[in-house]
Amino acid sequence: TQLLEQSPQFLSIQEGENLTVYCNSSSVFSSLQWYRQEPGEGPVLLVTVVTGGEVKKLKRLTFQFGDARKDSSLHITAAQPGDTGLYLCAGAGAGNNRKLIWGLGTSLAVNP
Amino acid sequence: DTEVTQTPKHLVMGMTNKKSLKCEQHMGHRAMYWYKQKAKKPPELMFVYSYEKLSINESVPSRFSPECPNSSLLNLHLHALQPEDSALYLCASRQSGTTSYEQYFGPGTRLTVT
Repeated sequence: TQLLEQSPQFLSIQEGENLTVYCNSSSVFSSLQWYRQEPGEGPVLLVTVVTGGEVKKLKRLTFQFGDARKDSSLHITAAQPGDTGLYLCAGAGAGNNRKLIWGLGTSLAVNP
Repeated sequence: DTEVTQTPKHLVMGMTNKKSLKCEQHMGHRAMYWYKQKAKKPPELMFVYSYEKLSINESVPSRFSPECPNSSLLNLHLHALQPEDSALYLCASRQSGTTSYEQYFGPGTRLTVT
């Protein structure tokens, strides 16, 4: 059974601080997606990483896929209150893109 | 356009009611999903439709009945629900093909069972 361990589960920081969220697995994924979700809304896709070692940047967000495609990280620089939300990683198993394997999520609160 | 729409936004129903949730996408995606999500937890997969045929049922109780009338529409029929079924119900779609991974989600329907 493929699992994605996401950490930390909860994070409360001050505006302007940096943070990193991790997703780790013992399994290889074909791809990994990061989503952000606000209360009462659906998850919004932030990025998809496919190639081992890949790094993608989205403004103040940097996403990295591990060389072995078993882990990923999301780094936010100079966090802002608008970054508050639930961050979810989800991986597509090798040879099976119909179902995503979800991490448990990181609930981020950025205080002004 | 990467929009998935869901109606209604909010639904309150009694345990003896019958109601339906609706989902629509016009991205030409041929895979559509229903998920259930509790607060601050990841979405739990319920059903997957591929080319309008049910391909995955994650052992969901029969009081939830999915339907895919055409490639753009997905319904979830609800009957005799329990209070523990109260949750955010999310619809998602994905472009078919073995190299497509991204799922695009609708805003969800907040369901409360009284």
